[in-house]
Amino acid sequence: ETGVTQSPTHLIKTRGQQVTLRCSSQSGHNTVSWYQQALGQGPQFIFQYYREEENGRGNFPPRFSGLQFPNYSSELNVNALELDDSALYLCASSSGRDRGRDGYTFGSGTRLTVV
Amino acid sequence: GDSVTQMEGPVTLSEEAFLTINCTYTATGYPSLFWYVQYPGEGLQLLLKATKADDKGSNKGFEATYRKETTSFHLEKGSVQVSDSAVYFCALENRDDKIIFGKGTRLHILP
Repeated sequence: ETGVTQSPTHLIKTRGQQVTLRCSSQSGHNTVSWYQQALGQGPQFIFQYYREEENGRGNFPPRFSGLQFPNYSSELNVNALELDDSALYLCASSSGRDRGRDGYTFGSGTRLTVV
Repeated sequence: GDSVTQMEGPVTLSEEAFLTINCTYTATGYPSLFWYVQYPGEGLQLLLKATKADDKGSNKGFEATYRKETTSFHLEKGSVQVSDSAVYFCALENRDDKIIFGKGTRLHILP
């Protein structure tokens, strides 16, 4: 059983650019959530996908968007990058509607630095 | 809105000391409660969970009891090890099925 895999592990982008982060969910999991973790802070919920449909969104602007594919892998896209977007981006997968109750499986994250 | 508040870190203890990390929450209804751990350079790992009042979650010597009356879920361990050094996050799943995290508490264990 594989875990959650995120790519790339590290990324440096220039303000104003666009970035795509990728996540392969754990086998058998159909729900993917994305979180932003700023330095020294707890993860903040960006959005969640369940069976390719967005299923909730946190307080992030529309320039943060996502996709979930038929194999339940997912992408997070961020347009018009700002310096404050520098953070660790975490992907988490789970299975079924009671996804929170069993806990999420987290990837190791993508460290994004915007300069 | 729903929120989680946990004690500020860092917490520094000697090996074999008793650990308590306080966590309180605000939420509508009866959220599930979790403790996650993050080791350096890694993602979050579920440490333990409790889904209803008075439940006790436990794992790897860590315990936490869901206290509805005090809206708390304090993490405890009787004898910490150097390998327990990490950042610990208290979290809840609210009625919208979203996980809300506290800011984390960094734990340093000295040999």
